[in-house]
Amino acid sequence: SQTIHQWPATLVQPVGSPLSLECTVEGTSNPNLYWYRQAAGRGLQLLFYSVGIGQISSEVPQNLSASRPQDRQFILSSKKLLLSDSGFYLCAWSVELNTQYFGPGTRLTVL
Amino acid sequence: DQQVKQNSPSLSVQEGRISILNCDYTNSMFDYFLWYKKYPAEGPTFLISISSIKDKNEDGRFTVFLNKSAKHLSLHIVPSQPGDSAVYFCAASAGYSGGGADGLTFGKGTHLIIQP
Repeated sequence: SQTIHQWPATLVQPVGSPLSLECTVEGTSNPNLYWYRQAAGRGLQLLFYSVGIGQISSEVPQNLSASRPQDRQFILSSKKLLLSDSGFYLCAWSVELNTQYFGPGTRLTVL
Repeated sequence: DQQVKQNSPSLSVQEGRISILNCDYTNSMFDYFLWYKKYPAEGPTFLISISSIKDKNEDGRFTVFLNKSAKHLSLHIVPSQPGDSAVYFCAASAGYSGGGADGLTFGKGTHLIIQP
């Protein structure tokens, strides 16, 4: 069966510091991978998606970036965090039919 | 411009009764719809989906209805149980027919509270 991991589970970072969140998927090959953010009191907003290694599509312009160095690894990064980057970050995967399955999430607090 | 709308931020239902969660969308290109359940500090869990070629899909206690002409879908949970208390997100995709990998567009969620 497929599983998806995210780490860290929680993170507190100062404004201006870098960020690296990691997501890995097990039990499937060539998944589509996604990063979403849920800000307080809001729905889930798609940030990036990837259909293959090195292929990244950005949905929202911001100071975040994503990379896919391996088939089942998806990384969300920032060079300098802003206060507005605080939120709950979710990674998801799909292989077909657009049903996406989510990881446990990372709670990011920027102070 | 919010393309998927869940106009009820919260809903309270008595245990054993039917819970009906509603969702409206504006993008006529959406052809695949999903419902997710989310507990605090956890990732959303997929519940049920429906493609635009159907108007109803049922899975156990969960049924999703799609009214394309009204651009409206609903999730029915019957009977409602205490463990159903969670935030429910409606989501839509425009890539089903083409097998696309586009991300989902989510509503803001409805907090369902099941009262004993």
